Amino acid sequence: GAVVSQHPSWVICKSGTSVKIECRSLDFQATTMFWYRQFPKQSLMLMATSNEGSKATYEQGVEKDKFLINHASLTLSTLTVTSAHPEDSSFYICSAPREYNSPLHFGNGTRLTVT
Amino acid sequence: AQSVTQLDSHVSVSEGTPVLLRCNYSSSYSPSLFWYVQHPNKGLQLLLKYTSAATLVKGINGFEAEFKKSETSFHLTKPSAHMSDAAEYFCVVQEGASKIIFGSGTRLSIRP
Repeated sequence: GAVVSQHPSWVICKSGTSVKIECRSLDFQATTMFWYRQFPKQSLMLMATSNEGSKATYEQGVEKDKFLINHASLTLSTLTVTSAHPEDSSFYICSAPREYNSPLHFGNGTRLTVT
Repeated sequence: AQSVTQLDSHVSVSEGTPVLLRCNYSSSYSPSLFWYVQHPNKGLQLLLKYTSAATLVKGINGFEAEFKKSETSFHLTKPSAHMSDAAEYFCVVQEGASKIIFGSGTRLSIRP
């Protein structure tokens, strides 16, 4: 079964509103979680690395104030898209390794549509 | 520096025929290599992994991959394609927990 749970699986929101996406590790503690964005028919683009108990590490070009990441516990990381705009519409995926250097477990992704 | 090249953006095969999805990599160290599969609007599922043990790696759903250091390749194969194999496949290079590079993906189509 799934070891990383991501919710919601899809969300539609209006421009200007904020959306929170949750990523939970179900049977292990994840000190590190990764957030990706995927455009249609493209590969995954790493947005940020979420670190439990400390600030997230953002990739170049990703707006920290727009994509807020919180990793308040060893099993939960959240990505909040603030003041969403239509160009933020995308597929967002989280992942976490069970252990250091082990394969990543992925959530099922969240399809965000901003109208 | 790490890089991953998936040589084909789209592969189409007939059901029951072999599948070959190509992946070449470059890495400064001895990397871990993975193949993941993604079905539409889903996350990625691990098919198989290479972590410096046997060079021929068997995965789920009948897939396997061979690590060839001399060719810096890690091609994914399956002897007989099934309709349910139609999906997007990603080759991934990993060094440690934070250096993870995804290939651009190969879309596999299966013809009846």
